[in-house]
Amino acid sequence: DIVLTQSPDFQSVTPKEKVTITCRASHNIGSNLHWYQQKPDQSPRVLIKYASQPISGVPSRFSGSGSATDFTLTIKSLEAEDAAVYYCHQSDSLPHTFGQGTKLEMK
Amino acid sequence: QLVQSGAEVKKPGASVKVSCKASGYTFTAYAMHWVRQAPGQSLEWMGWISLGNGNAKYSQKFQDRVTITRDISATTTYMELSGLKSEDTATYYCARNSDSTFDLWGQGTKVTVSS
Repeated sequence: DIVLTQSPDFQSVTPKEKVTITCRASHNIGSNLHWYQQKPDQSPRVLIKYASQPISGVPSRFSGSGSATDFTLTIKSLEAEDAAVYYCHQSDSLPHTFGQGTKLEMK
Repeated sequence: QLVQSGAEVKKPGASVKVSCKASGYTFTAYAMHWVRQAPGQSLEWMGWISLGNGNAKYSQKFQDRVTITRDISATTTYMELSGLKSEDTATYYCARNSDSTFDLWGQGTKVTVSS
């Protein structure tokens, strides 16, 4: 199985801050990496697909980059509503796997 | 949208069947996946079904205990998990697969396994 390791696990953040979350894959997964946001008591919501492709309706402050084994999600100017847990997900091979999550908490 | 069945409380060894009713799109044009999330934990993929031909594939972890089916006329997908253990206590989600991502999720069904 492909293991996805995110860092950091937790970050305390302030509005307007630029935030970077990384996801490292145990094998080369090309660009088959997607990012999700999950707020408390809500279902996950996709933010970015194929490492860097935006999703319609997602604010432009969210962007992604990377390929092969190293990926990054960037939130360029954090807003209070962005407090959530973020997950990376690989669809390169079965079983689909997810990272352990990165929790962003507002100071 | 995807609307799932309500919360369940089961005893160890029992089975649970969770439903996921789709509306607002062509049911058979997509695949449906099931993902679970234990309390405070990450997401865990369980398996998927092609809604067109009904073929299902499962994570090896759940291979012997999970069955995913669909009813085209009811636009509903089902996930049945047998031999429940306390470790199966989790929220179970159905998620539509579009272009390799899970673009539409059910609201989740909380399953509690307790004696």
